[in-house]
Amino acid sequence: DTGVSQNPRHKITKRGQNVTFRCDPISEHNRLYWYRQTLGQGPEFLTYFQNEAQLEKSRLLSDRFSAERPKGSFSTLEIQRTEQGDSAMYLCASRASPEPGVYEQYFGPGTRLTVT
Amino acid sequence: AQSVTQLGSHVSVSEGALVLLRCNYSSSVPPYLFWYVQYPNQGLQLLLKYTSAATLVKGINGFEAEFKKSETSFHLTKPSAHMSDAAEYFCAVSPHTGGFKTIFGAGTRLFVKA
Repeated sequence: DTGVSQNPRHKITKRGQNVTFRCDPISEHNRLYWYRQTLGQGPEFLTYFQNEAQLEKSRLLSDRFSAERPKGSFSTLEIQRTEQGDSAMYLCASRASPEPGVYEQYFGPGTRLTVT
Repeated sequence: AQSVTQLGSHVSVSEGALVLLRCNYSSSVPPYLFWYVQYPNQGLQLLLKYTSAATLVKGINGFEAEFKKSETSFHLTKPSAHMSDAAEYFCAVSPHTGGFKTIFGAGTRLFVKA
């Protein structure tokens, strides 16, 4: 098991285009989280899944954002009609649940999005 | 609502000096508390965690943190800084319920001078 992976690592797109990111969590982890991190800030929670169910979405997740985890394994985050304000690092994390004593999340390397 | 405040967006220390990164949290009940480290263009790596066991928590790379409920603090320390410690450090809280989503502070960038 090599940890949480994210693809692509970098994405440059023009304003108005759609982009999709993929996250592959640690295989036995049933909880998956998406965060957004802008320059000089800590990660901000976007949404999380338990298995294939999306259980919580942040107000930051506008109508242009959609996340899926169709089979409870990998997840995708799509941004439609990208705006320059969407430029950020998008981080994915996973966690096993329930697992006594383990409350931390394991993070992937992130996808850096630049909207020009 | 829970929140995290990290005092000082930048901290600079000399190699071999004490590292002290400050974190205060706001929560109606003691949450789970974490320190993560982030190196450039990488994801976050867990340094240590507090989950209501011992108040002094030891982590990786010689770091430790002490949970002080009366001060709502969880400051990170290391007795002797190494050049490889230069990175961004994030304090974070996670509630006991609600999916364990993590709320992060704004981060403190640690610079280590030779």
